[in-house]
Amino acid sequence: NAGVMQNPRHLVRRRGQEARLRCSPMKGHSHVYWYRQLPEEGLKFMVYLQKENIIDESGMPKERFSAEFPKEGPSILRIQQVVRGDSAAYFCASSPGAQNYGYTFGSGTRLTVV
Amino acid sequence: GDSVTQMEGPVTLSEEAFLTINCTYTATGYPSLFWYVQYPGEGLQLLLKATKADDKGSNKGFEATYRKETTSFHLEKGSVQVSDSAVYFCAFPPRGSQGNLIFGKGTKLSVKP
Repeated sequence: NAGVMQNPRHLVRRRGQEARLRCSPMKGHSHVYWYRQLPEEGLKFMVYLQKENIIDESGMPKERFSAEFPKEGPSILRIQQVVRGDSAAYFCASSPGAQNYGYTFGSGTRLTVV
Repeated sequence: GDSVTQMEGPVTLSEEAFLTINCTYTATGYPSLFWYVQYPGEGLQLLLKATKADDKGSNKGFEATYRKETTSFHLEKGSVQVSDSAVYFCAFPPRGSQGNLIFGKGTKLSVKP
């Protein structure tokens, strides 16, 4: 009974490289949410997706960040040309329906930009 | 704007001590309120929730009451265990939310045997 799976758990990138973070939701969940946790901060909402659709991206930085949730396969959060300020823990959550706040979270991907 | 304020940690208690973690919120309207818990090395899990004023959410010995007058949702447990050591987050959906939550910064709890 797998939960939300995120990989990799740890990712190190040099400034200017691309980072790809993957999230496989729980079985039967078609709604995915990405959050970012900066040091000493709470979780900040980034984007909410359903299969093949972006529902709410109001928390996404305007440049370098993108997300997708294709019909097949995991959701991907992509960060292009990473900078040191992108270093954070990125968490994915899934739910079976809209406005269902009893999320199941993954264990996160810790991105370090060197 | 909408926000959540939690008491700063870390909070260190002895086993069987009484726990209170304060949470106050600033919100438009009266949203549902949530407490999430994050155990070491794991993702966040929903601990309890309350959907309207005066509701009490409870789970695993933890309780929190939705106080509209004081805009608070304090987390309490009468007797903590070492296994309760974790980070606790208060959260609610902002007005117009299609699924996202606003989280507090989290309060780290350490329980000593």
